[in-house]
Amino acid sequence: DVKVTQSSRYLVKRTGEKVFLECVQDMDHENMFWYRQDPGLGLRLIYFSYDVKMKEKGDIPEGYSVSREKKERFSLILESASTNQTSMYLCVIQGGTSGNTIYFGEGSWLTVV
Amino acid sequence: GDSVTQMEGPVTLSEEAFLTINCTYTATGYPSLFWYVQYPGEGLQLLLKATKADDKGSNKGFEATYRKETTSFHLEKGSVQVSDSAVYFCALSERSNDYKLSFGAGTTVTVRA
Repeated sequence: DVKVTQSSRYLVKRTGEKVFLECVQDMDHENMFWYRQDPGLGLRLIYFSYDVKMKEKGDIPEGYSVSREKKERFSLILESASTNQTSMYLCVIQGGTSGNTIYFGEGSWLTVV
Repeated sequence: GDSVTQMEGPVTLSEEAFLTINCTYTATGYPSLFWYVQYPGEGLQLLLKATKADDKGSNKGFEATYRKETTSFHLEKGSVQVSDSAVYFCALSERSNDYKLSFGAGTTVTVRA
């Protein structure tokens, strides 16, 4: 069975803290994405990666960075968390020759106080 | 760039009512189109998809037809149940945009008994 694991389901962090969110897949797919989901805004793309060491900015990269040192692992980093980064963060894996096979992580709910 | 516009919610219906959620898209090429559903407290899951014009996706009594001429992918169900209460997201991906998923804002549907 396909597995996309997000390291933390629920986190509470203080303003200014560094936050790591990790996504691990067991499918050997190249394409990995980080989105955030907010009511009324849908899912917005933060960063994505198509290969190890490769990263591209999405639509809302400000305040975030990412790391892809191994194919199976894609980390989202908040260098200095702010309250407007309180959100649900979703890891998405994409596979198949036309990119139509999509797998979602369970989501990480981050609250910044 | 690619974008998806879907009907704003929230939508409240009685059981056995007819449901339509409108979705229109903007894309440069020939995207694949998706409807995702998020039940309360759960993660996103694929409801149905269509990969070319005039394709009809269907699942769990829901249907959506890929209409290239109107750039639409409206979701319909003839008789909703309380268990259909969820947030519904329309999305697209296309090769010219490296298959990144673009999501609509989501439509919250509540079905009352």
